[in-house]
Order: sequence, then structure tokens, then C-alpha cells
Amino acid sequence: KQEVTQIPAALSVPEGENLVLNCSFTDSAIYNLQWFRQDPGKGLTSLLLIQSSQREQTSGRLNASLDKSSGRSTLYIAASQPGDSATYLCAVRPSNAGNNRKLIWGLGTSLAVNP
Amino acid sequence: DVKVTQSSRYLVKRTGEKVFLECVQDMDHENMFWYRQDPGLGLRLIYFSYDVKMKEKGDIPEGYSVSREKKERFSLILESASTNQTSMYLCASRPQGIAEAFFGQGTRLTVV
Repeated sequence: KQEVTQIPAALSVPEGENLVLNCSFTDSAIYNLQWFRQDPGKGLTSLLLIQSSQREQTSGRLNASLDKSSGRSTLYIAASQPGDSATYLCAVRPSNAGNNRKLIWGLGTSLAVNP
Repeated sequence: DVKVTQSSRYLVKRTGEKVFLECVQDMDHENMFWYRQDPGLGLRLIYFSYDVKMKEKGDIPEGYSVSREKKERFSLILESASTNQTSMYLCASRPQGIAEAFFGQGTRLTVV
């Protein structure tokens, strides 16, 4: 059964730091992995989608990598800003038959960037 | 621009009431999803739909039903609301294939 873990659960950093958020999954049979951002009391905003054949995706100061064989993804945030403060969630889409419509979610990393 | 709209941001209902949560997407996506999100439990899938009038149970369907009469609209129904259904409800949509999912802004439901 696919499980997704995000470590750490919470992170507090000073403004300007480069930081890495981690996401691990137990079964490498995935179609893709998606990173989301959630502000308090709000819905989810899609940040990056990495297909299983890809190694990384970039959008602005964000870079997400995927190592399917080791079951890991990282979200790298360069030059962090207070506006980056949010909860970051990762989700994988399994590719095994019968279970490939649903996303499997981590519990998220709550990030605080302090001015 | 991608748009998933949930009908209410905040909702307060009484125990035993029938509650409708509406979700509309304007992207012609085949797949639509309803989740609830609770502290420490993360996102849990209630129901999803992969086509008009088609639905499948997610991980926690008890106490809920859904309706998808038109492609753009997916409704979540709480037949008789209970206090343990107080939660943040999130709707999502996704096209066919291995594509990105998009979420609405969430509905914070409180059942008193």
C-alpha cells in the first residue's frame, strides 16, 4: 500500500535562506508526483507536477526533483521570503491498476519564513 | 486560467440538516473529487467522479453522497449532518490522463 511521508512536519527559517522540503513514498509505481501550497484556511494551489519519466521541474524560485527508484522527491525553495510561509503538500498518483485515479497524500510541511 | 469554484467559503449548519456543497469547474475536466481535511489526518478522499453520472467511493464515503448531472458540476451531499462532519471540504478536478489536479478555495463547514 502506497504511503507518503513528509519530513519535517514544521520548519522555521530566516528570510533569504535556501531550503529543502522532503517527500518520500513507499511504492515506486507512480504516474507522477505533484507539489501543492496551502495558505491557512484556503484551498490548495498547484506548484509543480513531475511525471515519472522526469527528474525535475522548475518554476521561478522553486525546483522539484524526483528520484523514483529511491522513493523521494524534494522541493527546493531559493532565497525564501515571508510570503512563502504556508503548508506544502506532496501527492503521488499510483500507476498500479485499480488504484490509479486517486492521489495519495502526505501530511504536509508547515513552513514559516521569518523577516 | 484554470478555475474550480466552491459555492461557499464558510457554512454553519445544524445537526440533522441536509447539506449541499457545490463545486463547479470551467475546464471541461472529466475527473472531479471531494476531500475533507482535518488536522493530523491530512486530506482524505470522500468520493470522486470520472464522468457524468459516474461516481466511485473514496476512503471515507460514509454519511455522504454525491451527484454529477453535468460535467462541470459535482455536488457533495451530507444527508443528515453530524458534528463529526465539521471540517474543511476541498473540491478538485483533473483532466483525463496523467495530468495536474486543480483545487477550489475550500469550504469550512461547522455543524452545531
